[in-house]
Amino acid sequence: EPEVTQTPSHQVTQMGQEVILRCVPISNHLYFYWYRQILGQKVEFLVSFYNNEISEKSEIFDDQFSVERPDGSNFTLKIRSTKLEDSAMYFCASRIRGSAYEQYFGPGTRLTVT
Amino acid sequence: QQQVKQSPQSLIVQKGGISIINCAYENTAFDYFPWYQQFPGKGPALLIAIRPDVSEKKEGRFTISFNKSAKQFSLHIMDSQPGDSATYFCAASIPGTASKLTFGTGTRLQVTL
Repeated sequence: EPEVTQTPSHQVTQMGQEVILRCVPISNHLYFYWYRQILGQKVEFLVSFYNNEISEKSEIFDDQFSVERPDGSNFTLKIRSTKLEDSAMYFCASRIRGSAYEQYFGPGTRLTVT
Repeated sequence: QQQVKQSPQSLIVQKGGISIINCAYENTAFDYFPWYQQFPGKGPALLIAIRPDVSEKKEGRFTISFNKSAKQFSLHIMDSQPGDSATYFCAASIPGTASKLTFGTGTRLQVTL
């Protein structure tokens, strides 16, 4: 069964460093998302991406964040200068088309900022 | 107005019992209501979902009940099993290109023997 994959599973970085989190969405999906979950809290929307552009972003997704689909398979989230409060699980999700709302999540990347 | 409120925060149910988790929303533009199951260290997994045009949807031991007038929906897990022990999140989304999910705060379910 197709699934969303994410790498790395765990990333440790120092405050102020740049990190890139990678995702491979399900191959025939067209809509891509990043969510984050601070330990013990709910899952929060960061950004959605469709047709090679951001379709919506939350207030969390400030200028330090960017997303890119560099090729036909990968979808990346870049944090330019990490802060301690960026420590969280980051989940990538994808869905197939406009009329099908089911979003499928990857296993997540645990980002630890020290 | 974008919030989805979920209760209880935690729930302990005996094996074979019924687990009930409730959610409420304010925004009537929400048009899709999924439930996700999350095990520790894993991503949320889609369990079951409902649209507002039906009042109930059943898949195996899992049932969603939907009350459009009260703006509430709930997940019922029949014959709860220890393997059901996980955190459950309700969510809602508005149709459109983004269709971002707004999640509830989660319910940690423990099913005891």
